[in-house]
Amino acid sequence: GQSLEQPSEVTAVEGAIVQINCTYQTSGFYGLSWYQQHDGGAPTFLSYNALDGLEETGRFSSFLSRSDSYGYLLLQELQMKDSASYFCAVREAAGNKLTFGGGTRVLVKP
Amino acid sequence: DTAVSQTPKYLVTQMGNDKSIKCEQNLGHDTMYWYKQDSKKFLKIMFSYNNKELIINETVPNRFSPKSPDKAHLNLHINSLELGDSAVYFCASSLRGPLHFGNGTRLTVT
Repeated sequence: GQSLEQPSEVTAVEGAIVQINCTYQTSGFYGLSWYQQHDGGAPTFLSYNALDGLEETGRFSSFLSRSDSYGYLLLQELQMKDSASYFCAVREAAGNKLTFGGGTRVLVKP
Repeated sequence: DTAVSQTPKYLVTQMGNDKSIKCEQNLGHDTMYWYKQDSKKFLKIMFSYNNKELIINETVPNRFSPKSPDKAHLNLHINSLELGDSAVYFCASSLRGPLHFGNGTRLTVT
């Protein structure tokens, strides 16, 4: 079967840096995505890594190591609005199916 | 506005009833999905359609029946509702890229 592991909760202060790790075990792998979801809202796409390395998009970066079945999302210069749940998701080789991890709730404190 | 829109936003009903959720996207995407998010925020795929053809059908009770009249619409009909069906149901769409989610339908079965 498939499994994605990520921490359930992280707390940090404004301006800090947070790293959310994601390890996965899947039968097929096309890439690792990250989604953000505010309470009561819809998941929204943040980033996608198909190849090893770091992808940077503003304050957020995402990293992938396919050999280690591991990736992370790095949130820099944390702001209060970054308080949300963050999900890693694996795209299987077959079709367009995304399997999500359990989500990491990030709480940013003043 | 270009978006994925689903209705209704809230649905409260009694056990044993039948209900439907509708979803429409005007993004020109060819693939649509239904995801279920439970009270622990775990997001699980239920169904996926590509150009009106069912391509993903996860282990979902057959009380759940999706219907895609065209590639811009994907509806979900649920028969004989049970307490365990209470969740937020998200519609999403994609075009070989990231998923775009609707705002969700919070279903409460009493």
